[in-house]
Amino acid sequence: AQKVTQAQTEISVVEKEDVTLDCVYETRDTTYYLFWYKQPPSGELVFLIRRNSFDEQNEISGRYSWNFQKSTSSFNFTITASQVVDSAVYFCALTTTGANSKLTFGKGITLSVRP
Amino acid sequence: EPEVTQTPSHQVTQMGQEVILRCVPISNHLYFYWYRQILGQKVEFLVSFYNNEISEKSEIFDDQFSVERPDGSNFTLKIRSTKLEDSAMYFCASSGGRVSPLHFGNGTRLTVT
Repeated sequence: AQKVTQAQTEISVVEKEDVTLDCVYETRDTTYYLFWYKQPPSGELVFLIRRNSFDEQNEISGRYSWNFQKSTSSFNFTITASQVVDSAVYFCALTTTGANSKLTFGKGITLSVRP
Repeated sequence: EPEVTQTPSHQVTQMGQEVILRCVPISNHLYFYWYRQILGQKVEFLVSFYNNEISEKSEIFDDQFSVERPDGSNFTLKIRSTKLEDSAMYFCASSGGRVSPLHFGNGTRLTVT
C-alpha cells in the first residue's frame, strides 16, 4: 500500500520569503513516481512536477525547486522568493508502476503568502 | 495546450436523484480517472478506466457509481441515487501512459440537498 504524508497543514509567509513544503512517502515498490500538484483558490489541480524513483537529481524550475531523497523517503518542494500568486493548496502524490497511474495524494498544505 | 474539460462546473441535485458528470479527456490519452475531493479534504481516487473497462476502483466507488465512455471522446461518471455525503468536487483526469502525469479537469462541484 502507498501512503503520502504532508505533516504541515497550513503555512503562512510574507511575500519574498522562501518556503519549503515537506512530503514523506511510503511504498514497498522499488519503482515509483512522485508528483506535486497545485490547487489555487479557483479549484483546479495543476501539475507541477514528476520525479521517478531512479532519478534523485534535484530539480529547479524558476523559483521552484524539488529535493528528492530516497534515504529519508522525502520529496520536498521549495518556493524561493514567494509571491502572493503562490497562495494555494499544494499536494504531493505517489504512484507505482503497478498502479495504472492511480495517484495516492497527501492531505495537502495550504500556503498563504501575504503581501 | 490540450486540456481536460468537465461539464457542468456546478451541479445541484436533490437527494435520491441521478446525476451524470461529463468529461472530455485529452484526445490521445488512454487512461481515464475520476477523483473526488470533499470540501477542505484530500483528493481521493474513485476509479480508473483503460481499454474500455474499469481497471481499478476504490471502496468509495460502490454500486451507486458507474462510468462509461459512450463514444470516442466523452467519459462520464453516473451516480444513481445521490446522498448528502456525495457532495464534493469531482475531478476527471486523463494520462497518456501508466506512469505519465495526470492532467485534471477543472472539476464539477456537486451539491446534494
